Amino acid sequence: QKEVEQDPGPLSVPEGAIVSLNCTYSNSAFQYFMWYRQYSRKGPELLMYTYSSGNKEDGRFTAQVDKSSKYISLFIRDSQPSDSATYLCAMSANNNDMRFGAGTRLTVKP
Amino acid sequence: KAGVTQTPRYLIKTRGQQVTLSCSPISGHRSVSWYQQTPGQGLQFLFEYFSETQRNKGNFPGRFSGRQFSNSRSEMNVSTLELGDSALYLCASTASPGNTIYFGEGSWLTVV
Repeated sequence: QKEVEQDPGPLSVPEGAIVSLNCTYSNSAFQYFMWYRQYSRKGPELLMYTYSSGNKEDGRFTAQVDKSSKYISLFIRDSQPSDSATYLCAMSANNNDMRFGAGTRLTVKP
Repeated sequence: KAGVTQTPRYLIKTRGQQVTLSCSPISGHRSVSWYQQTPGQGLQFLFEYFSETQRNKGNFPGRFSGRQFSNSRSEMNVSTLELGDSALYLCASTASPGNTIYFGEGSWLTVV
């Protein structure tokens, strides 16, 4: 079993839809959780950064962490074609040596 | 403020050769880490350097090595290249261990 599990998709939604992306993990020591967005042939770009459990909102993006269930989510409201990318979850115990999910490829169709 | 800069962006090497990739972190960042990204394995941690010292190392063979200079710039080297080393190599920097990391655009390595 991988330390971090993420459904690779692909996920296709119409413009304006709410997108839900998820990761599960097995290491209970993880306490730093991040979501990165990666466009084709580009480096990952940090979207959301969360410490421990709880919710964090930034514009159309909301990150949720449920440490009791070892489950994290990223919600994208009012999705746009420009949101089409691969979304990677990442987590670590000490904010170093991060473990990444496989990435979910998202396409938002106009 | 300039981001993380990686060179070269694209390169093609032959099996058995060696390659050196370079990374200039964000100004003021002293910690640099390297990752390998492939379609099959995803993003995998290679190693991390802080103040010229390797702090962490991932599960890669000794053919993969790195170093950091006094100006925080870092290089990674892969010797005796294999076809499976074809990947996107990403460098990331952070002000100090424990802070958010920022990635460069990556170096695309193709081994033929």
